[in-house]
Amino acid sequence: EDKVVQSPLSLVVHEGDTVTLNCSYEVTNFRSLLWYKQEKKAPTFLFMLTSSGIEKKSGRLSSILDKKELSSILNITATQTGDSAIYLCAVQTGTASKLTFGTGTRLQVTL
Amino acid sequence: DTGVSQDPRHKITKRGQNVTFRCDPISEHNRLYWYRQTLGQGPEFLTYFQNEAQLEKSRLLSDRFSAERPKGSFSTLEIQRTEQGDSAMYLCASSLWDRGGTEAFFGQGTRLTVV
Repeated sequence: EDKVVQSPLSLVVHEGDTVTLNCSYEVTNFRSLLWYKQEKKAPTFLFMLTSSGIEKKSGRLSSILDKKELSSILNITATQTGDSAIYLCAVQTGTASKLTFGTGTRLQVTL
Repeated sequence: DTGVSQDPRHKITKRGQNVTFRCDPISEHNRLYWYRQTLGQGPEFLTYFQNEAQLEKSRLLSDRFSAERPKGSFSTLEIQRTEQGDSAMYLCASSLWDRGGTEAFFGQGTRLTVV
């Protein structure tokens, strides 16, 4: 059975701090790894990482895929209160390209 | 708004009643997925369509659940004889399938409460 594990489960930081969120996976027929941000409603797409694109960056957010270690990290620098959310890691597998999600990391950024 | 839309956003129903949810994907997307998310968990895959064909169903999808995508555009998810355990957020996602993997974009979800 495909499995995605995220750590830590929750994190509280001060505004301006840098955070690193972790995701590890054990799946068959890996296609890609995706990061989503979920506030109160639907997950919002952040990044997709594949064998041909193992590092992505957008503003203060960046992510790296380590296919050897079967893991990924999501970095957020200079955190802001608006970064407070649940960050979900998902792995896309097989011809169905369905997503297997981790339970998420709940990030709270305080003033 | 050209994103994925779901209707209704919230549904409260009595146990034993039937409910139906609708999802309108991004127009050019040929794949449509249904997921279910309970509190404190990540979304779990239920089923998906490529165009109008339903190609896979999770074992989570009991025979009380049925999904359709009749013309390869919008989709409906019906739950018959609802149970309290069906209370969850039902999320729809769509993507333009590519062999290398492709981003899936989610709708706002339908939150179902069974009382």
